[in-house]
Amino acid sequence: DSGVTQTPKHLITATGQRVTLRCSPRSGDLSVYWYQQSLDQGLQFLIHYYNGEERAKGNILERFSAQQFPDLHSELNLSSLELGDSALYFCASSATTGGGQPQHFGDGTRLSIL
Amino acid sequence: EDQVTQSPEALRLQEGESSSLNCSYTVSGLRGLFWYRQDPGKGPEFLFTLYSAGEEKEKERLKATLTKKESFLHITAPKPEDSATYLCAVQAEFPKLTFGTGTRLTIIP
Repeated sequence: DSGVTQTPKHLITATGQRVTLRCSPRSGDLSVYWYQQSLDQGLQFLIHYYNGEERAKGNILERFSAQQFPDLHSELNLSSLELGDSALYFCASSATTGGGQPQHFGDGTRLSIL
Repeated sequence: EDQVTQSPEALRLQEGESSSLNCSYTVSGLRGLFWYRQDPGKGPEFLFTLYSAGEEKEKERLKATLTKKESFLHITAPKPEDSATYLCAVQAEFPKLTFGTGTRLTIIP
C-alpha cells in the first residue's frame, strides 16, 4: 500500500459529460502529480501541484484542469469528455519538489466513456 | 525529447530461471532512473532509483544497474509472485517522469 488514495476506482460516463477524480497524497507529502495511462501510450505526465500551487504542466488537454486544496488533496476535472479520454488516471505524491525524488502512485481511477 | 524503450515486451520464465530486463534511454541531463512494478489493477509500485552510471541497487531477488545509455533489472531465481509488469522511467526535467511501456514478466511454477 503506497498510502496514496484515489476515488472512485471506476467511473463510467458518456461523451460530453464532466467528471472529477480525487486524490489524497501520502501523509506529509506536499507534491501531487497526475498521469494518464492508456493502452497504446503508457503513462503520460499531466500536471504537478506543490503545496496548493501549480508547478508544471505536461500533456494536459485544455478540457482538463486540476487543483490542490489546503488539506493537500487534489482533484482532476475532465470536461467535454470524448471516447479517447477513456484511460486509467493515476495520482502520485512525493515529499518535496525536487529532481530525483521517487513518486509514489495510487491505484488509479479507470474512466470509461461510452 | 526524452525516450525510454523497454525490452522484451513480454518474458516467460520458469521458477528459478534468472534473467534480465532492459531499459534503454535517451535524455539530456539524467536526474534519476526509476524502476517500478505494476500488478494488474494496481498502480506502479516504486522499486529503485538510480542516479549515475555505475550505480547498483538490490532488493530481495531484484538488482538494478545503470550505464550511460541503459539500465538492467536482473531477477535472480524468480518466484511466481514476481510476475508483474516492470516499468522503467527517466527524469530529466523535473517533475516529469517519462515511462517506457514495460516488460510483462510471467514466472511459471
